Amino acid sequence: GAVVSQHPSRVICKSGTSVKIECRSLDFQATTMFWYRQFPKQSLMLMATSNEGSKATYEQGVEKDKFLINHASLTLSTLTVTSAHPEDSSFYICSAGNRGKNTGELFFGEGSRLTVL
Amino acid sequence: DAKTTQPPSMDCAEGRAANLPCNHSTISGNEYVYWYRQIHSQGPQYIIHGLKNNETNEMASLIITEDRKSSTLILPHATLRDTAVYYCIVASTGANSKLTFGKGITLSVRP
Repeated sequence: GAVVSQHPSRVICKSGTSVKIECRSLDFQATTMFWYRQFPKQSLMLMATSNEGSKATYEQGVEKDKFLINHASLTLSTLTVTSAHPEDSSFYICSAGNRGKNTGELFFGEGSRLTVL
Repeated sequence: DAKTTQPPSMDCAEGRAANLPCNHSTISGNEYVYWYRQIHSQGPQYIIHGLKNNETNEMASLIITEDRKSSTLILPHATLRDTAVYYCIVASTGANSKLTFGKGITLSVRP
């Protein structure tokens, strides 16, 4: 099946630094990718919709200046957590659909676990 | 808010069928029923989706009631590796259609 890859899978950083997470669709093109965040023992929460060549659309309550999203190509979206703080520690997951195969399913990356010290 | 309701948990014996229910009484005519599962510390895995007809693939079967207000995911022969959180989601199709996750149901398969 379609593959979505995230990197890094785990990252530890100091408070106040910025961290970039990459999401790649490996065998298909994706005009739209989605970024989710998941805290322990909770469900996935949609943060934003990443649109190739245009600005991301953020869900209510998600700070666009803190979570910078760039979707520069049809196979790559990046999420940058700026000035990270311990409360940003979470599991970040991206997903993408196959624009060439419009059957509706979205494929998810393996997730990136961020720990802010 | 999620448009589906699922029991919080259930268990079944290994080798037996696992029937996971989902209510989606407010589903719209153009919305599909999707099932995903998440094994601990991994990204969600697509299982199956359907509109109104029953669907079957190599992983599972999806039974949707005639009024489309509920559905059941069936894992015909559950294994220990099927232990996961299963999410039932309703959404329209299209690669740009976002999925809103509820709390899901935790399936525990016991030996």
